[in-house]
Amino acid sequence: AQSVAQPEDQVNVAEGNPLTVKCTYSVSGNPYLFWYVQYPNRGLQFLLKYITGDNLVKGSYGFEAEFNKSQTSFHLKKPSALVSDSALYFCAVRDEETYKYIFGTGTRLKVLA
Amino acid sequence: EAQVTQNPRYLITVTGKKLTVTCSQNMNHEYMSWYRQDPGLGLRQIYYSMNVEVTDKGDVPEGYKVSRKEKRNFPLILESPSPNQTSLYFCASSPGTAPNYGYTFGSGTRLTVV
Repeated sequence: AQSVAQPEDQVNVAEGNPLTVKCTYSVSGNPYLFWYVQYPNRGLQFLLKYITGDNLVKGSYGFEAEFNKSQTSFHLKKPSALVSDSALYFCAVRDEETYKYIFGTGTRLKVLA
Repeated sequence: EAQVTQNPRYLITVTGKKLTVTCSQNMNHEYMSWYRQDPGLGLRQIYYSMNVEVTDKGDVPEGYKVSRKEKRNFPLILESPSPNQTSLYFCASSPGTAPNYGYTFGSGTRLTVV
């Protein structure tokens, strides 16, 4: 069965430091991977996706994600964190057979000034 | 502006009183879905629709109904709400079922059932 794991409930990072939010996945076919961000009192917003090709995917707001097939990981990264990046981040995989999205449980990112 | 519109944003109701949460998208998307978000559980799919008049159960469909009479609208109906349906609900749409399509989400409906 397809699954997504976000091992950290919360990540704290100082402003200006690099950040990483971890995600690992399990799929039987090709992985179609996504990151979404949820700001307080808002819906989820698409950040980036990996379909095929380059293992480093660039997305919105300066975020990027690194796809690692051998480690079945899709970690979200940003070279220099901003206080405004503080939000809830969800990793997701879309099943190419059932069309369903499977979401992780979310990681709360706190960027400290 | 391309968007998914949910109403209402906040709703407090009493046990057993039927309610409908509306969802409308203006992007001509075929695929629409409802999720509930609960702390520690992430997003769980309630129902989805691959096109007009085509709906199917997600992972947590009990106590909910949906309909898709028009492409743009996908209302969520709670016939007899109970306190365990207190949650944050999101409607989402995507152009189709191809796995490379991402979702556009509505702003959410926070429902409290007392």
